[in-house]
Amino acid sequence: QSVLTQPPSVSAAPGQKVTISCSGSSSNIGNNYVSWYQQLPGTAPKLLIYENNKRPSGIPDRFSGSKSGTSATLGITGLQTGDEADYYCGTWDSSLSARFGGGTKLTVL
Amino acid sequence: QVQLQESGPGLVKPSQTLSLTCTVSGGSISSGSYYWSWIRQPAGKGLEWIGRIYTSGSTNYNPSLKSRVTISVDTSKNQFSLKLSSVTAADTAVYYCARELRLRAIDYWGQGTLVTVSS
Repeated sequence: QSVLTQPPSVSAAPGQKVTISCSGSSSNIGNNYVSWYQQLPGTAPKLLIYENNKRPSGIPDRFSGSKSGTSATLGITGLQTGDEADYYCGTWDSSLSARFGGGTKLTVL
Repeated sequence: QVQLQESGPGLVKPSQTLSLTCTVSGGSISSGSYYWSWIRQPAGKGLEWIGRIYTSGSTNYNPSLKSRVTISVDTSKNQFSLKLSSVTAADTAVYYCARELRLRAIDYWGQGTLVTVSS
């Protein structure tokens, strides 16, 4: 059971927008940065969002992140079939351990 | 561009010690305020952080694995390593090494290596 709670799956049509939620507590998200990772099938996770809402170089602005209290949200606009992947939120806890959500499978219908 | 590559046996017998090495290229493991982490992922499941090391040698481990984990660094070879003792089938997973910006992001990942625990 993951410390961070994500919906198991979300889906939307190409061109549409989708959001993925990540719920935690004051001992993790509430007092630490949140990051988001995209894992395409058979590949390693890739950093999408860091420090709650910043995008690494090369990540399109279709991807956005936000945090409020003990929850965070990943938004993806202009969905493409290539966005089909598993998405994980991540943060840290009071013991300095990195923590991940259980992952959300995005299907682009 | 930093690159990380895991190496080590793909098959380990139960009760033995799993040993993996991560070789970092494209930059010195000693430069910058980076931490070097191990993360694993059982087939079809989510990510589990194992632990991290700083080039000073200081470490942090997942409390659930702490009694069995040792992470070390060899700056002369630009490598860091993982040892997980007393393995069982539950330790079967893809193991990733990664670079961590302390408490901010895990920005570079290795491609991962599958380790199977079986007799």
